[in-house]
Amino acid sequence: SQTIHQWPATLVQPVGSPLSLECTVEGTSNPNLYWYRQAAGRGLQLLFYSVGIGQISSEVPQNLSASRPQDRQFILSSKKLLLSDSGFYLCAWGQINYGYTFGSGTRLTVV
Amino acid sequence: TQLLEQSPQFLSIQEGENLTVYCNSSSVFSSLQWYRQEPGEGPVLLVTVVTGGEVKKLKRLTFQFGDARKDSSLHITAAQPGDTGLYLCAGRAGNMLTFGGGTRLMVKP
Repeated sequence: SQTIHQWPATLVQPVGSPLSLECTVEGTSNPNLYWYRQAAGRGLQLLFYSVGIGQISSEVPQNLSASRPQDRQFILSSKKLLLSDSGFYLCAWGQINYGYTFGSGTRLTVV
Repeated sequence: TQLLEQSPQFLSIQEGENLTVYCNSSSVFSSLQWYRQEPGEGPVLLVTVVTGGEVKKLKRLTFQFGDARKDSSLHITAAQPGDTGLYLCAGRAGNMLTFGGGTRLMVKP
């Protein structure tokens, strides 16, 4: 069966520090992968998606970047965090026709 | 940009009551998905509706896709505390999935 792992679960980082969130998928090959951000228990904003290794599409201009160094690994990064980067970050995989499977999320607080 | 408006934003009811939450847009979607999210967790897919007018049932949950494929509703019969959570709808247009802002449901025992 397919599983998705996301870590860390919570993170508190000072303004200006770097960020690296990792997401891995097991049990499937060449998955479509997605990074979403959710503010205060509300709707999800798509940040990045990837249809293959090294292929990244950005939906929202921002202080973040994404990379896909391996087929089932998706990384969200920032060189210098801003207060506005705080939020709940969710990784997902899936086919748009059939719905997405989400990871358990990372609660990021920038202080 | 397609926007999905969900209503109500918050709903607090007693166990055993029935409720309906709505997902509306001025845009047409080729399909629509409903998810439930519990605090500190990722959303979990409940159902996908594809055809205008389609109705799908999942135990006590009934999902309907509007005839024009611009709106959807979720009806819960005899709500239970385990139904508590954030209900999100997501509409597909082309290769994009747009999420609504969610309805936060609390069912009190």
